[in-house]
Amino acid sequence: EAGVAQSPRYKIIEKRQSVAFWCNPISGHATLYWYQQILGQGPKLLIQFQNNGVVDDSQLPKDRFSAERLKGVDSTLKIQPAKLEDSAVYLCASSLGFQASSYEQYFGPGTRLTVT
Amino acid sequence: DQQVKQNSPSLSVQEGRISILNCDYTNSMFDYFLWYKKYPAEGPTFLISISSIKDKNEDGRFTVFLNKSAKHLSLHIVPSQPGDSAVYFCAAYGGATNKLIFGTGTLLAVQP
Repeated sequence: EAGVAQSPRYKIIEKRQSVAFWCNPISGHATLYWYQQILGQGPKLLIQFQNNGVVDDSQLPKDRFSAERLKGVDSTLKIQPAKLEDSAVYLCASSLGFQASSYEQYFGPGTRLTVT
Repeated sequence: DQQVKQNSPSLSVQEGRISILNCDYTNSMFDYFLWYKKYPAEGPTFLISISSIKDKNEDGRFTVFLNKSAKHLSLHIVPSQPGDSAVYFCAAYGGATNKLIFGTGTLLAVQP
């Protein structure tokens, strides 16, 4: 079974530039998550999709971050414009569904973003 | 407000000995707890979980203990192996948040 795929793996941009990350979840997984992991901290949920609908985006800085999951499969996360404090690893995860049995999330390798 | 806390940033253990990683939480509404392991340049991988209706769950060398009254859980690895060297994250689910809340992680180093 293929895991969660993410690209690019690394990205360096200057502040005020824009950047986009892509995620392909495990086949059949209805729920997709984007996390931000700042160095020395645990992953923090940015947005959660159930199929192609947003379940939770309460911690997404909507003035600069946006995400979509067209057709309920792949997803993209965009930052525009980037700030220095956005430097982090962006992790995508997926799970079978939204029920208790789906607490176990499967993570991709992440995209390490450096904003200079 | 850090609802899930891992107060030990790092732990070093000799191969063959027991590793004990600790985690404390503040939200009594959490009802499911998980441990994830993370190697460098990889995403976290699920390791073991426990429901709040239990106080122990075991899977091979890994055992998780839950003390609800103390709002504390621990992960025991016996015997520890060099391949266990990684960052271990505790995570909790439940209550009003309806999402996984992660701790800050503990870096485990198992010395050969």
